[in-house]
Amino acid sequence: DAGVIQSPRHEVTEMGQEVTLRCKPISGHNSLFWYRQTMMRGLELLIYFNNNVPIDDSGMPEDRFSAKMPNASFSTLKIQPSEPRDSAVYFCASSFGTGGETQYFGPGTRLTVL
Amino acid sequence: GDSVTQMEGPVTLSEEAFLTINCTYTATGYPSLFWYVQYPGEGLQLLLKATKADDKGSNKGFEATYRKETTSFHLEKGSVQVSDSAVYFCALTYNQGGKLIFGQGTELSVKP
Repeated sequence: DAGVIQSPRHEVTEMGQEVTLRCKPISGHNSLFWYRQTMMRGLELLIYFNNNVPIDDSGMPEDRFSAKMPNASFSTLKIQPSEPRDSAVYFCASSFGTGGETQYFGPGTRLTVL
Repeated sequence: GDSVTQMEGPVTLSEEAFLTINCTYTATGYPSLFWYVQYPGEGLQLLLKATKADDKGSNKGFEATYRKETTSFHLEKGSVQVSDSAVYFCALTYNQGGKLIFGQGTELSVKP
């Protein structure tokens, strides 16, 4: 299996620009998670989907962030407009089941907002 | 609310030394517990897990026991190698929800 695939691996953009991060979960997995990692806040869950439906988006920082999962094999996390404080590594993870299962992480997207 | 607390790093050890990384948790229910490892420049990988009290997870010489009475899940390895240098995360999740709650991570550096 290819594992969780994320693109791009690195993104450098200027403040105010729109950023779209992409994730392809492991085939057959029905839960998908977006995490953000920073030195200050560590790893924090932004949003997760079960069977393509958003279940918990309480971690989404503000309205500038949005996430979609149009089908079982693709999800996007969009930031519009981006700000320097959004600079972080964004991880996507997937799992199979309804909870408590092992989550498999992608390699992450390192976002730098200038 | 639920939370995970790990010992602060960085932890620096010589090769073949004994490793302990402490992890304690606060939970309202009966979570599953995990240790994930993150090598430089990579995503997180599951190292081991335990789903109920007194379970012992083990992998690659690492082990941790789910201790409900002390709400702990300490990670141990008898003899570390340079290749074990990484950041280790303790985490919990519930069977009825998918959310992983992570500790702050502990950086381990093993010197030859």
